[in-house]
Amino acid sequence: KQEVTQIPAALSVPEGENLVLNCSFTDSAIYNLQWFRQDPGKGLTSLLLIQSSQREQTSGRLNASLDKSSGRSTLYIAASQPGDSATYLCAVGVQGGSEKLVFGKGMKLTVNP
Amino acid sequence: DAGITQSPRHKVTETGTPVTLRCHQTENHRYMYWYRQDPGHGLRLIHYSYGVKDTDKGEVSDGYSVSRSKTEDFLLTLESATSSQTSVYFCAAGVNYGYTFGSGTRLTVV
Repeated sequence: KQEVTQIPAALSVPEGENLVLNCSFTDSAIYNLQWFRQDPGKGLTSLLLIQSSQREQTSGRLNASLDKSSGRSTLYIAASQPGDSATYLCAVGVQGGSEKLVFGKGMKLTVNP
Repeated sequence: DAGITQSPRHKVTETGTPVTLRCHQTENHRYMYWYRQDPGHGLRLIHYSYGVKDTDKGEVSDGYSVSRSKTEDFLLTLESATSSQTSVYFCAAGVNYGYTFGSGTRLTVV
């Protein structure tokens, strides 16, 4: 059974810091890995998607990497801003034709002005 | 996201009553999903559908049933609501490299 872990559960930082969010998964047989953002009371927004054959993806101040062999992904946020405050979730696409995603529990980020 | 609409957005119901949550998509996705989100557990898959009348269980399906009579609609039913089913329910549609999520339904069972 695939399990996805995000540690720590919460992080509070001052504005301007460069951040690294970690995600680990137990089964390397994945289709892809995604990072989502969730604002309070809202649904999920996909930030970055890394296919299993890729090593990283970048979008603006965000960079996500994937190491399938070690079962790890990191989301790097450069020059953090208060608007980055949200919960960040990691999810892996599992193989088997079901198109399912398995989610981590998320990490609540607070960026203080 | 305008592609997925969940209704109702909020609901309070009594223990033992039946409850149906609706998910409507305008994107013609074959796959649709119901997740619940609880503190300390993240999002957990309840049921999913891979086509009209084709559904399967997720990891937390006990106490829930689903139906999909049309591509655009996926219904989640709690036959007899319990307090442990108090949660935020999210519907999603698409394939695993391109999910669209609804805004969620906050269900409270008292």
